[in-house]
Amino acid sequence: AQSVTQLGSHVSVSEGALVLLRCNYSSSVPPYLFWYVQYPNQGLQLLLKYTSAATLVKGINGFEAEFKKSETSFHLTKPSAHMSDAAEYFCAVRTLGGTYKYIFGTGTRLKVLA
Amino acid sequence: DGGITQSPKYLFRKEGQNVTLSCEQNLNHDAMYWYRQDPGQGLRLIYYSQIVNDFQKGDIAEGYSVSREKKESFPLTVTSAQKNPTAFYLCASTSVGGATDTQYFGPGTRLTVL
Repeated sequence: AQSVTQLGSHVSVSEGALVLLRCNYSSSVPPYLFWYVQYPNQGLQLLLKYTSAATLVKGINGFEAEFKKSETSFHLTKPSAHMSDAAEYFCAVRTLGGTYKYIFGTGTRLKVLA
Repeated sequence: DGGITQSPKYLFRKEGQNVTLSCEQNLNHDAMYWYRQDPGQGLRLIYYSQIVNDFQKGDIAEGYSVSREKKESFPLTVTSAQKNPTAFYLCASTSVGGATDTQYFGPGTRLTVL
């Protein structure tokens, strides 16, 4: 069965520092991968998605993620953290085949320190 | 504007009562989903529907029921059989048939049992 693992339920960075949020997936074939952001008491907003067209995917708000098949990883990065980046981030994979189900990681809460 | 609406935003229920959460989308999406979110547990799938008049149980369907009589609507009923219903509920939708088919989310309903 497919799954995603997010390492670190809480991550703190200083404003202006590099943001790195980790996501590893399990899949026997290249999966469909997504990163979402959630602000308090709101729904999830898509940051970026892996479409297999390019291994480095650029998203909104300066975020990007690199698909590494050899490491089964899809880590999310941003060169310089901003206070407004404080939120919870979810990695997700869409199941293969005819069933359109999505499996989410347990989330990483990002705190940005002034 | 196209999107997903959920109502109400906050809902309070007495023990033993059934309550219905509304989810409407005008994105012309085929598939709709209900997730439950609890702190530290990510999103857990309750029910999903890929076509009108058909739906499938997700991972935590016990104590919940749904209907899909119209393409744009997918209401969720939390029954008195659900032992711990206090949570944040998210509705999502996606088109079916494309390569990656991103899920889009509503703003959520926070249910509290008094």
